[in-house]
Formats: sequence, C-alpha cells, structure tokens
Amino acid sequence: QLQLQESGPGLVKPSETLSLSCTVSGGSISSSHYYWAWIRQPPGKGLEWIGSIYYGGNTYYNPSLKSRVTISVDTSKNQFSLKLSSVTAADTAVYYCARREGDYYYYMDVWGRGTTVTVSS
Amino acid sequence: DIQMTQSPSSLSASVGDRVTITCRASQSISDYLNWYQQKPGKAPKLLIYAASSLQSGVPSRFSGSGSATDFTLSISSLQPEDFAAYYCQQSYTSPWTFGQGTKVEIK
Repeated sequence: QLQLQESGPGLVKPSETLSLSCTVSGGSISSSHYYWAWIRQPPGKGLEWIGSIYYGGNTYYNPSLKSRVTISVDTSKNQFSLKLSSVTAADTAVYYCARREGDYYYYMDVWGRGTTVTVSS
Repeated sequence: DIQMTQSPSSLSASVGDRVTITCRASQSISDYLNWYQQKPGKAPKLLIYAASSLQSGVPSRFSGSGSATDFTLSISSLQPEDFAAYYCQQSYTSPWTFGQGTKVEIK
C-alpha cells in the first residue's frame, strides 16, 4: 500500500534553511487525483498545515509561512520537498508529509511517520 | 483564516462510555470538515471526512455529524485503543486549519 517517508536533518541552526524530503512508495506521485502536503506539530501543540503541491507543480501555501516556504516536486524520484528559510526556535516541530485525497471533499488520508526537526545553535 | 475551536480541550472517560467532542468553525464551512485521531508519538489518522463519512477501516463506533459551523465527533462505546487526541480540520478554504485538539484520557 502507499507509504510516505520523511527525511532530512534533525538539527538546523537559527537563520538557516530547513530542508526535508518525502518519498512516496507503493504508488505514483504523478496521479492526477492527489495533492501532496506538509503539516507540522510543535512539541506539545496542535497541527499546522504548511502547504500542498500537485505533481504538475501547482502549490498552495499557508499565508503565515508563505514568505519563507517553498514546496517542490520531483516526479522522477517520486518525491516532494519542503524548504523553510530563516528558521527560528519557533520552527522546532515534528514535520509530517501526507497525501491529500479528494476531488470535491479534501482530506489527508495517508501520512508519513513524521520527522523531528530542532532549531538550535 | 477560519478558526476552528474544539471543546472540551480534554476529557476523562471510562471504557464503554459514549463520548462526544464538539468543533465550531468561525464561519460556515458547509460540510468540509475532517476528524483525525492521534496517539502519542504517532502521525494523525483520518477517521471522518466530509463531516460524516467514515474512512475505510475505521470502526463503526466512530461517527460524525454537523454542518455549517457546528460539528460533533461521537464514539459510541469507548475502547481502550481510543484513548488519544482528536483534531478537527476544515478543508473549505485555504489555509486549511485545525482545531486545538481534544485529549481523551482514561478515568
């Protein structure tokens, strides 16, 4: 079945750029039916949607992060990626990638296990 | 942004109890409302989409209802594996937003 796996550095210095990848296995990222999303969860807090991307490159970002976020897709690797620039301690969180299902009602039905990113010098 | 407010923030219940969690949107979102369950150290799991549609594989003791601004998630008979945090999420408009979560604990 479809699986998603996040990867990337677990420690990032303040003011630097956080870079994560999500590898999709058991299915194609190029399906016309899905978008692909990043969500994060600071320690002990709730969930925040970061943004979503379609395999063709169309993106939607959370306005609260838009100036610092870039989400991209590499169909040859069946991966999509997140870059978050100028990070601070407030960006410390578990970062999840997920599949956005639905043609009319939208929901995230498959999630990666998450990867913890700590921002610290 | 649409604000999602859940109540209560936490509750204590016993196995076999009926549990109801409420989610209120700051504006009408029709039925673009999803519910997720999250256990400690795990990723969220989709339970309900489109306010009342049960995701495949989710036990039938879970149900969702509501429309416009007021929604509920009900667990008809709480099981030991249901002790977790529950989040509502609107997909009516970007940015997608989540409720702050409701933690269901063992009484």
